[in-house]
Amino acid sequence: EADIYQTPRYLVIGTGKKITLECSQTMGHDKMYWYQQDPGMELHLIHYSYGVNSTEKGDLSSESTVSRIRTEHFPLTLESARPSHTSQYLCASKGQGDQPQHFGDGTRLSIL
Amino acid sequence: GESVGLHLPTLSVQEGDNSIINCAYSNSASDYFIWYKQESGKGPQFIIDIRSNMDKRQGQRVTVLLNKTVKHLSLQIAATQPGDSAVYFCAGGYNQGGKLIFGQGTELSVKP
Repeated sequence: EADIYQTPRYLVIGTGKKITLECSQTMGHDKMYWYQQDPGMELHLIHYSYGVNSTEKGDLSSESTVSRIRTEHFPLTLESARPSHTSQYLCASKGQGDQPQHFGDGTRLSIL
Repeated sequence: GESVGLHLPTLSVQEGDNSIINCAYSNSASDYFIWYKQESGKGPQFIIDIRSNMDKRQGQRVTVLLNKTVKHLSLQIAATQPGDSAVYFCAGGYNQGGKLIFGQGTELSVKP
């Protein structure tokens, strides 16, 4: 079982605020991912990283940015939150070879 | 591009019956498929995966079938239990890169 942690679990915040969602994993996985999921809907990849100093945009366009300074951390930042950013954000990591992606429990973000 | 979809958004079964959840995909170049279970308030949990060079893989009470001819994937759950109630997602992609395309989920309800 992979250990991957996301904080905060819930965040309600006003428009215009800068937000950072944290994601940490203790498995030493090189590959990490951020997905956006609206209630009852499928997951959409918004960012991914194949290792330190590597970040790429995913299939769904997002105004968020990410960084990968350390293997275990993959934070996601919104510089100026808007109501359209309201969603659930899920972080995942993947080890080498045939290992599947393992997910955290997500951050449920509400922008007022 | 890839798209992955499920045939039915909801499925209700009696406890003890077998469940079959279906999924179709569009990209014949995908070499890896995976099923996740997502309970309310939690991140997706890995169930079972299959490479494109296989047509069947079995786990504990679960079986995944892959039909590459018609680009169809199914998840079979034997002796369905109340604890199996959740939303199930299929996803496809390239295992080496790790990027996945998720389909819309099927919500499985198990009646006691």
